Amino acid sequence: DAEITQSPRHKITETGRQVTLACHQTWNHNNMFWYRQDLGHGLRLIHYSYGVQDTNKGEVSDGYSVSRSNTEDLPLTLESAASSQTSVYFCASSEGLGPGTSGSQETQYFGPGTRLLVL
Amino acid sequence: GQNIDQPTEMTATEGAIVQINCTYQTSGFNGLFWYQQHAGEAPTFLSYNVLDGLEEKGRFSSFLSRSKGYSYLLLKELQMKDSASYLCAVRDTGGYQKVTFGTGTKLQVIP
Repeated sequence: DAEITQSPRHKITETGRQVTLACHQTWNHNNMFWYRQDLGHGLRLIHYSYGVQDTNKGEVSDGYSVSRSNTEDLPLTLESAASSQTSVYFCASSEGLGPGTSGSQETQYFGPGTRLLVL
Repeated sequence: GQNIDQPTEMTATEGAIVQINCTYQTSGFNGLFWYQQHAGEAPTFLSYNVLDGLEEKGRFSSFLSRSKGYSYLLLKELQMKDSASYLCAVRDTGGYQKVTFGTGTKLQVIP
């Protein structure tokens, strides 16, 4: 069955270290997204991609970067981890057939999440 | 931009009906999603509305009024397993139509 996976599921790191969170989907979806979820803020968009070699900044992109070298993967890198980046990170994907497509085709399917603690 | 408002918490009794409201203000609207998220788990898709009216799917129904910027999720015959957070999310019309999530409503079902 097609799925979306994230690794690691839990990570503890130190301030200033570079950290990469992996996201892999086997649905062959064009769109992929990274969110962080914190109490009182809900899901906030970090970066998103609409296809290979395409990346875009979301509302909380500072300190994060992504790359999309193939359809299946969108790794999220924290260049220099900060305590403010302690959070739960969710990756998501959607079919993404471009503007004008039915909204149901833009339903996002979420990975299980990565809990990151920055000490 | 988008502004989405939901109640923070609600409590309801097993077997009862509960309505979770969502109001939104958006510069462009192209659909509204409801997701369910159990504690410690990922959000999962429940429903999608783009036209006014009620969409029914088993015990769950979702309603949309675009003129009022208002939606609700109706859960019937509540079960203990329905205890979860319910996220309202709005899709806009700009560019590739990003989805913005509300902060969610935490529903507790009690016996």
